[in-house]
Amino acid sequence: DAGVTQSPTHLIKTRGQQVTLRCSPKSGHDTVSWYQQALGQGPQFIFQYYEEEERQRGNFPDRFSGHQFPNYSSELNVNALWLGDSALYLCASSRDENEQFFGPGTRLTVL
Amino acid sequence: GQNIDQPTEMTATEGAIVQINCTYQTSGFNGLFWYQQHAGEAPTFLSYNVLDGLEEKGRFSSFLSRSKGYSYLLLKELQMKDSASYLCAVRDSNYQLIWGAGTKLIIKP
Repeated sequence: DAGVTQSPTHLIKTRGQQVTLRCSPKSGHDTVSWYQQALGQGPQFIFQYYEEEERQRGNFPDRFSGHQFPNYSSELNVNALWLGDSALYLCASSRDENEQFFGPGTRLTVL
Repeated sequence: GQNIDQPTEMTATEGAIVQINCTYQTSGFNGLFWYQQHAGEAPTFLSYNVLDGLEEKGRFSSFLSRSKGYSYLLLKELQMKDSASYLCAVRDSNYQLIWGAGTKLIIKP
């Protein structure tokens, strides 16, 4: 049983560009959450998707958007990248409220 | 505002016991989680507390006091592989996870 997978592993972009990150949840999970983790900090909640809709959103600007597909996989899109968006982006999937399983993350560097 | 406080860094000796504290102030409470995160890797689940008291799972135990807004993670018989960051996270009234910055635990031989 594959766990949560994310792609790509690493990504380098320049300011102003747009990026799309992808996540496939653990088998049987229908909820996907996205987090941004800066170096030396805890994860910051971006948003959560359930049944193809954004169910909750953290304190992130509209430049951050997402999507969930019928197979429960998800994408995170970030427009107009700036240096401060450089971070590890984590996807976590869950089926109930008690435990989230994290993917390996995508390391985004904005130059 | 919502706040999770943990020590930034702790050092302990292989074979010893260490306690990592976490205090929180959140809008509502629907459970507290501890995660382990090795450098460059994703967090992995360690424990979940929603009622007061101690939850034991092998070498790791987690304690919760909701009235004090306090939890700790206890690691026994420390091994070198336990060197990692330990993250405390609280699920608030909106069922969002609010994370602490993590405690970097350094294990020395």
